[in-house]
Amino acid sequence: NAGVMQNPRHLVRRRGQEARLRCSPMKGHSHVYWYRQLPEEGLKFMVYLQKENIIDESGMPKERFSAEFPKEGPSILRIQQVVRGDSAAYFCASSPSWDLNTEAFFGQGTRLTVV
Amino acid sequence: AQKVTQAQTEISVVEKEDVTLDCVYETRDTTYYLFWYKQPPSGELVFLIRRNSFDEQNEISGRYSWNFQKSTSSFNFTITASQVVDSAVYFCALSEANNQGGKLIFGQGTELSVKP
Repeated sequence: NAGVMQNPRHLVRRRGQEARLRCSPMKGHSHVYWYRQLPEEGLKFMVYLQKENIIDESGMPKERFSAEFPKEGPSILRIQQVVRGDSAAYFCASSPSWDLNTEAFFGQGTRLTVV
Repeated sequence: AQKVTQAQTEISVVEKEDVTLDCVYETRDTTYYLFWYKQPPSGELVFLIRRNSFDEQNEISGRYSWNFQKSTSSFNFTITASQVVDSAVYFCALSEANNQGGKLIFGQGTELSVKP
């Protein structure tokens, strides 16, 4: 049973380009969470999605950031017109349900560097 | 408001020493979960433990042990006889009942350095 898969592991973008980060949840998991870890900081919640729905995007920056989790395929975190401050590690977690008793499993992260 | 505080930014010990990483949390919920994760230099997040708010029993797993005290809102993590491979950043996290199960609030992390 493969874990949460994120790709790419490392991504370099020039300022102004778009970044697309992919997350394939564990088999049977329909709930996905995205977190951002800025350098020297802890992880901060960004968005929670179920298949085809955004449930909680309270942690998403208001501009340039969007997320989706289509019926088929991985969840995508999209950052438009990247700036240096977007450089961070982006982690995805998945869980089988929203119940508090379930545990979220994290992927290995995508390290975005904006040059 | 919910919050997790790891007051120790960095800790350095010599191999075989015991070390305790502190975690203090704030929440208004009576039902919540507490977690510890390890982030080694390779960068991935490794799950260590999850504890629910109704279970105050201490937990031991090999060289790792956890002390949960609701009276002081603390969930401290002790590594006994530390090893170089324990060097990592350790995060404490909180999940509240009124949040979705995977929405965690993380502390700032404690960077542990174990020297040979």
